[in-house]
Amino acid sequence: KAGVTQTPRYLIKTRGQQVTLSCSPISGHRSVSWYQQTPGQGLQFLFEYFSETQRNKGNFPGRFSGRQFSNSRSEMNVSTLELGDSALYLCASSGGNRRVQQYFGPGTRLTVT
Amino acid sequence: AQSVTQLDSQVPVFEEAPVELRCNYSSSVSVYLFWYVQYPNQGLQLLLKYLSGSTLVESINGFEAEFNKSQTSFHLRKPSVHISDTAEYFCAVSGPGDGGSQGNLIFGKGTKLSVKP
Repeated sequence: KAGVTQTPRYLIKTRGQQVTLSCSPISGHRSVSWYQQTPGQGLQFLFEYFSETQRNKGNFPGRFSGRQFSNSRSEMNVSTLELGDSALYLCASSGGNRRVQQYFGPGTRLTVT
Repeated sequence: AQSVTQLDSQVPVFEEAPVELRCNYSSSVSVYLFWYVQYPNQGLQLLLKYLSGSTLVESINGFEAEFNKSQTSFHLRKPSVHISDTAEYFCAVSGPGDGGSQGNLIFGKGTKLSVKP
């Protein structure tokens, strides 16, 4: 099976712009979670989608949003980018009823200038 | 609220020496525990996990971790490290989710393991 894929791998944006990141889960997995990784804050949970519904949400402002499509692919969007949004954004997918084990993609490195 | 504390931000060690990376967690409910490894410019790879049953869990590359409920710890150990083990290691606990799912992980700040020849 192919692993979790994320596109693009690298992205440079300027303050005020918006960005959309994409994640394709492992085939058969219906849950997708997003995490932000920064040197200062470490790894922080953004949100989880399961069967096109947001199931959990972390403590991030409303500028961060996401969605999931019927084929389980997910996108996250960040509007009005700030310098502090520069981070590695990781997507993880999981399967099964309790969705315990998560498989991570390589991440999208976002730089905001 | 759940939290994870990794007591050491950096651990330097010589090749073939033993190593222990410490992890403590706090939670008022039963949890699942994980160790992930991250190599430079890569995503996270699952190293090992504790879900239930035996409190000692092992990975295929020689790491092991022991779940200690009384001490709320899940320390990672390896009896003899290799240069290739140089990476950042993250301890994580699964958080409560909708319908009993474990869809969000709470991570520690990470421990950078540096193996020197």
